[in-house]
Amino acid sequence: QVQLVESGGGVVQPGKALRLSCAVSGFTFSNFAIHWVRQAPGKGLEWVAVISYNGLHKSYADSIKGRFAISRDNSKNTVSLLISSLRAEDTATYYCAKDRARPGGPVAGTPDYWGHGTLVIVSS
Amino acid sequence: QPVLTQSSSASASLGSSVSLTCTLSSGHSSHTIAWHQQQPGKAPRYLMTLENTGTYNKGSGVPDRFSGSSSGADRYLTISNLQSEDEADYYCETWDTKGVFGGGTKVTVL
Repeated sequence: QVQLVESGGGVVQPGKALRLSCAVSGFTFSNFAIHWVRQAPGKGLEWVAVISYNGLHKSYADSIKGRFAISRDNSKNTVSLLISSLRAEDTATYYCAKDRARPGGPVAGTPDYWGHGTLVIVSS
Repeated sequence: QPVLTQSSSASASLGSSVSLTCTLSSGHSSHTIAWHQQQPGKAPRYLMTLENTGTYNKGSGVPDRFSGSSSGADRYLTISNLQSEDEADYYCETWDTKGVFGGGTKVTVL
């Protein structure tokens, strides 16, 4: 079955960097875009970024642009999210999610399978 | 970018029906949206994609009790025969070169 497993979260000091990873199984990873979505404690969902199936197209939320970088390794079935210059407001659970587009197609924009999330706490 | 507006809360009795509304901002009334469910302490779960025509496509394993409909800029999620496990937050979401989520509606089963 489709599985997405996030890792890399933890407690990080403000201003530091952190790399989150998403390991995928259960579908042909190289055919689908992957999203990152975050959720601050007690708050709603916030879309963060997406990377196309081949890694050529990336899009970021305006609120984080310039500090976050999404990448993928289709040989290892993984997607990464590098977060730089961490701020207190980056404290959240970060979810990776598979895009529901047809295989090899453009990003549909809707996640249809979600991981369980990894918690990032930015605190000194 | 479109903005999605949702009521903050809704409640209904066990076994009854509840309808949630997601309203697209001006100029974006033709957008397809998706509904996602988030039960307490769990990750979100994709429920369905809903077009402006009212056509919807549900995710794998989503019960028949969940249905969608549309009217103008409004997109609806209706849950029939409400069950205790339907108590959750429900988010609508759309895409326009970037993803956008509504603020979510908390559903309470009485």
